Amino acid sequence: QSALTQPRSVSGSPGQSVTISCTGTSSDIGGYNSVSWYQQYPGKAPKFMIYDVSKRPSGVPDRFSGSKSGNTASLTISGLQAEDEADYYCCSYAGSYTFAVFGGGTKLTVL
Amino acid sequence: QVQLQESGPGLVKPSETLSLTCTVSGGSISRYYWSWIRQPPGKGLEWIGYIYDTVSNKYNPSLKSRVSISVDTSKNQFSLKLSSVTAADTAVYYCARDLAAGTFDSWGQGTPVTVSP
Repeated sequence: QSALTQPRSVSGSPGQSVTISCTGTSSDIGGYNSVSWYQQYPGKAPKFMIYDVSKRPSGVPDRFSGSKSGNTASLTISGLQAEDEADYYCCSYAGSYTFAVFGGGTKLTVL
Repeated sequence: QVQLQESGPGLVKPSETLSLTCTVSGGSISRYYWSWIRQPPGKGLEWIGYIYDTVSNKYNPSLKSRVSISVDTSKNQFSLKLSSVTAADTAVYYCARDLAAGTFDSWGQGTPVTVSP
């Protein structure tokens, strides 16, 4: 069982927006602004998409955005494209003892 | 752009020690956090541990008694050792650079490791 809780799957049609939630506790998401998101295609390594809750690394389209409220972080993908179909994982800093915890992953299907 | 490449045996026997190496190219291994992360088949990601600039380690509490991460700055490599492996340690193992506090910006392609007799 993963430390952070994500929905197993979400779906949307091209052009629509989808939001993936990531729920933790006050010991991880709620306690720090170090939430990151990763996109993973089957058989490939994860790709760095969002960091520090809402910042985008260079090269990541601005269709991808992140936010946080309390113990829940969210990744929103607007203007869905077929190429966005992938697995998405959240990760949060969890203090000096546990350090980093991941969510179980969400499979995004573009209908 | 930094690149990472994992290497090591793809098959390890139960109770033995899993050993992997990550070679970093395109940048210095110094003054960064370098982590190992794994993904069992069909499952999510699990952070294993990191080493920082040869002087500091931190490990996942659930694996701490079996894990060791070391660095060889002369070769720009860092390594993972996981002892007393069982079938539950079967996974794709990734090495990654951590900018800070669990922010993994660069990843290796991953190497599959199977624990089996």
